[in-house]
Amino acid sequence: AQTVTQSQPEMSVQEAETVTLSCTYDTSESNYYLFWYKQPPSRQMILVIRQEAYKQQNATENRFSVNFQKAAKSFSLKISDSQLGDTAMYFCAFTPGGAQKLVFGQGTRLTINP
Amino acid sequence: GAVVSQHPSWVICKSGTSVKIECRSLDFQATTMFWYRQFPKQSLMLMATSNEGSKATYEQGVEKDKFLINHASLTLSTLTVTSAHPEDSSFYICSARVYRDRGNEQYFGPGTRLTVT
Repeated sequence: AQTVTQSQPEMSVQEAETVTLSCTYDTSESNYYLFWYKQPPSRQMILVIRQEAYKQQNATENRFSVNFQKAAKSFSLKISDSQLGDTAMYFCAFTPGGAQKLVFGQGTRLTINP
Repeated sequence: GAVVSQHPSWVICKSGTSVKIECRSLDFQATTMFWYRQFPKQSLMLMATSNEGSKATYEQGVEKDKFLINHASLTLSTLTVTSAHPEDSSFYICSARVYRDRGNEQYFGPGTRLTVT
């Protein structure tokens, strides 16, 4: 079975701090894609960052970066210089290359405090 | 680009009635659309995968006769909740995938809050 696990239900940090959200996944596929989605209070799902499994280089998008450890099946998200607008639910998701479905983790509720 | 809309954003209906939710891809053609259900403070639960011009594929445990999905065009999929009951109250989200998008990215609609009284 393909599963995604986020072990931190809630996290809270001060504005401008750096925070890392954990995600592990389980698959026997060799080609797949990993995503972090953000769901703010508006509940609109927003893609934060994407990683292709065959690429060894970690993806980065401005203040957001990932630590992709393929052998360990780990895909953590680092948010640098956190801002109040980063307050949201963050979902880690996975999809095999040939499939269509996204498999979501349980989510981490992140609160950035002023 | 890659905008997905949903209508309505919020609907209240009486128990026993049916309600239709529309999902549209505004600036791209989506051969595949997905319907999710989300309970408060929980993750997204995939209900079904909808391919244009063919029958939807439902996830295990989802009643296909209660949740009717139609994907009649490359830009529109609809979810009809038939004979709705209070336990069907939830947040429903659709997403769309671009044909042959090797990145497998899904673009999400803003969601529809359904309340059944």
